[in-house]
Amino acid sequence: QVQLQESGPGLVKPSGTLSLTCAVSGASISSSHWWSWVRQSPGRGLEWIGEIYHTGSTKYNPSLESRVTISVDKSKRQFFLTLSAVTAADTAIYFCARVSYLPNIPAKNYLHPWGQGILVTVSS
Amino acid sequence: DIQMTQSPSSLSASVGDRVTITCRASQNIINFLNWYQQKPGKAPEVIVYIASHLQDGVPARFSGSGSGTDFTLTINSLQPEDFATYYCQQSYSSPQTFGPGTRLEIK
Repeated sequence: QVQLQESGPGLVKPSGTLSLTCAVSGASISSSHWWSWVRQSPGRGLEWIGEIYHTGSTKYNPSLESRVTISVDKSKRQFFLTLSAVTAADTAIYFCARVSYLPNIPAKNYLHPWGQGILVTVSS
Repeated sequence: DIQMTQSPSSLSASVGDRVTITCRASQNIINFLNWYQQKPGKAPEVIVYIASHLQDGVPARFSGSGSGTDFTLTINSLQPEDFATYYCQQSYSSPQTFGPGTRLEIK
C-alpha cells in the first residue's frame, strides 16, 4: 500500500522560503509515476503546484514557476518542495500525491494516493 | 488555463436520496476528468477517474459520466458517510485545474 507523508515547518516568515518533504513508502519512487504537490487554501481552493519524475524532470504551474523548485532524492524515497519569497497568500495546506494513470496510458492520469497534508502559515 | 466550474456549490440532501453534481470545463477536455471526495481535516480522495472509472473500493452507488466539456457525478441512495465536499479536476492540459467544489450536506 503506497503511503505519502508530508513534513516541514508549519510557520514561515514573509519573504522567506517554504521547504517541505514528502516521504514515500510502500512503493519505489523510481517507478513509472510522477510525484506531485498540490495546495489548498480558502481563497484559492485546490491548486496544482507541480510534479517531478524520478529522473528529475519537472513540470510547474506557470503561476508559481518563478518561485518553485521540486526535487527528488531516490535513495531516501523522498521528494521536496521549495517555494521562495512567500507571502500571506501562500498560507495553505500543502499535499503531496502520486500521479496514477490508466494502464499503459500515462496521459490519462489522476492523483492517488495523497498524503494527509501539512498546514503552512506565512506570518511574522 | 482551463477553468472548471461546478454546480451547485452546495447541496442539502437526505440519506437515501439520489444526487447529481455537475462539472463544466472551459474547453474540450475529452474525458480527462476526475472526481475527488474530501472530508473535513482529510486529504481529497479520488472516487471516479477519467470520467467514468470507479476507483477500487468506492461503492457502486457512485458513478461518473460525460465527455467534452460537461460531466456529472451521481450518487445513488446517499449514505451518511457520503456527506462531504466533491471536487472535479481536469488532467487534459497543464496546469491541471480543479473545480471550486460542491459541499454536500445533510438535510
